[in-house]
Amino acid sequence: AQSVTQLGSHVSVSEGALVLLRCNYSSSVPPYLFWYVQYPNQGLQLLLKYTSAATLVKGINGFEAEFKKSETSFHLTKPSAHMSDAAEYFCAVRNNNAGNMLTFGGGTRLMVKP
Amino acid sequence: GAGVSQSPRYKVAKRGQDVALRCDPISGHVSLFWYQQALGQGPEFLTYFQNEAQLDKSGLPSDRFFAERPEGSVSTLKIQRTQQEDSAVYLCASSGPYGYTFGSGTRLTVV
Repeated sequence: AQSVTQLGSHVSVSEGALVLLRCNYSSSVPPYLFWYVQYPNQGLQLLLKYTSAATLVKGINGFEAEFKKSETSFHLTKPSAHMSDAAEYFCAVRNNNAGNMLTFGGGTRLMVKP
Repeated sequence: GAGVSQSPRYKVAKRGQDVALRCDPISGHVSLFWYQQALGQGPEFLTYFQNEAQLDKSGLPSDRFFAERPEGSVSTLKIQRTQQEDSAVYLCASSGPYGYTFGSGTRLTVV
């Protein structure tokens, strides 16, 4: 079964600083990996996804993630944090069964200080 | 519709009460999923439909939880005899050619 682990339930950065949110996965087959963002009282919005094409994936709002098979990682980065990036971020892996449901990590709350 | 619509947005139920949560997926999306998101945690899979067929219900936490999608479109998640541990946000998602789209969820509070 696939699983993901997000290191750090809370991350705080200053506005303009680098954002790094960590995600490690476990999968017996080549994984499909996703990053979602959740703003308060809202659903999940897809930031980006890895589907075994390019290992560096660019998403919306300036975010990108790099798939590293040797490290079983899919960390999310953004060069310069903006106040509007403050939200909850979830890494997820798609289960390779008939339903293709997602297994999520526990989430990382990103706080951006002015 | 343009997105996945869930209703109600908020529901307060007394312990022991039955509740029904509705999901209206994107038109034409064959696959529909329900997830439960407890406070401060990631969403957890509950159940999955392909059209009207419930193909996986392995995530339903007890037999008090029941989901249906009788015509392959709108789905309802029903929780009988609610308990405090049922308090969570219930997210619905539908899946089409371009992937998942999540609704805004229903926040259920059992008091």
